[in-house]
Amino acid sequence: GESVGLHLPTLSVQEGDNSIINCAYSNSASDYFIWYKQESGKGPQFIIDIRSNMDKRQGQRVTVLLNKTVKHLSLQIAATQPGDSAVYFCAEKNYGQNFVFGPGTRLSVLP
Amino acid sequence: EAGVAQSPRYKIIEKRQSVAFWCNPISGHATLYWYQQILGQGPKLLIQFQNNGVVDDSQLPKDRFSAERLKGVDSTLKIQPAKLEDSAVYLCASSFEGATGRGYTFGSGTRLTVV
Repeated sequence: GESVGLHLPTLSVQEGDNSIINCAYSNSASDYFIWYKQESGKGPQFIIDIRSNMDKRQGQRVTVLLNKTVKHLSLQIAATQPGDSAVYFCAEKNYGQNFVFGPGTRLSVLP
Repeated sequence: EAGVAQSPRYKIIEKRQSVAFWCNPISGHATLYWYQQILGQGPKLLIQFQNNGVVDDSQLPKDRFSAERLKGVDSTLKIQPAKLEDSAVYLCASSFEGATGRGYTFGSGTRLTVV
């Protein structure tokens, strides 16, 4: 398949370990945030979202943390699996406007 | 449920040529988006349609890019003439009207290489 990006920041983790992917967003007025996963040759796929009135949200094996003070978003993946290898994007949205995507981080899961 | 269909999958053209991409959204999705994803970057919105009307085309380079959504279903994105910097993956996404991000579905994209 095609590579999404060749010069992205890369996070390498051992299979079974926890992964933490970070994102700095730009607009202090953004009130909704999403993490997307993009596998090679595919479009972005929704993982988890969070609204600005929350600071943590959990899904299946994933947790998103939001720190509005420093405009920082993180995605935690528990017990990382080979199928988690992909590029991860955060996206921010202000009411009435469209999503703005961050630059992405490549997650590489080592056997 | 069928996903968002895009074609062609890949396209290689010379600069100054024209090219068109096609998108078929999920049935019933009123909102359709075209994104440009340059290698190593996140997707950037080019244009948003609500049914067959344009909602946001503020980032569409209108001197060379055009898009239409006939009858509020399929959409085409055209580039004429293409430049080297247009090399990218062009992603189409669709959603129900008013959907949050979890309601967006992306297609697999068309990879354009301009040589």
